Amino acid sequence: EIVMTQSPATLSVSPGERATLSCRASQSVGSNLAWYQQKPGQAPRLLIYGASTRATDIPASFSGSGSGTEFTLTISSLQSEDFAVYYCHQYNDWPLTFGGGTKVEIE
Amino acid sequence: EVQLLESGGGLVQPGVSLRLSCAVSGFTFSSYAMTWVRQAPGKGLEWVSAIVASGGATDYADSVKGRFTISRDNSKNTLFLQISSLRVEDTAVYYCAKRRYHSYGDLDYWGQGTLVTVSS
Repeated sequence: EIVMTQSPATLSVSPGERATLSCRASQSVGSNLAWYQQKPGQAPRLLIYGASTRATDIPASFSGSGSGTEFTLTISSLQSEDFAVYYCHQYNDWPLTFGGGTKVEIE
Repeated sequence: EVQLLESGGGLVQPGVSLRLSCAVSGFTFSSYAMTWVRQAPGKGLEWVSAIVASGGATDYADSVKGRFTISRDNSKNTLFLQISSLRVEDTAVYYCAKRRYHSYGDLDYWGQGTLVTVSS
């Protein structure tokens, strides 16, 4: 099983600042990596797939990078609606696995 | 507009069975793989099961293998998850999600989830 490790577990950021979230895979997943955003009481929403492609209607403030085992999600300027939990997900190999999540909170 | 609507959750006792459904609209259901993902209260996301577009291949997480069965009715645009021998640790919100392609891919659309609570 490919283990996905996200860091940090919690990220405290002020509105307007930049947030950088990391995700590491225990073995290469190529570019088969997605990022999801989840707000309390809501379903996850796809942000990034293929490690760096923004999903439909996702603002350009969200960007993804990386390949192999190291990935990054960057939110260039945090808005109030961006405070949420973010999960990375590898779909390169069975079983599909998710990271434990990074909670982005208001500092 | 793509929509996925889960149903069938509820409060059940350990050991019983349950069938979850996911009715979809807004896309050609028979062309895409589908998955179930669950989330225990206050916890992260856990992939449960997946099925290819044709229904001809399925896969399961080790934690549910032998107890859960995924299936689909492409004529009715509906995905199912049959859960047997429910355990307390199966308590979670169960989400159905569409995969991007016919047999693999990221999860590009999600339903709102259905809560399964297993308790005596």
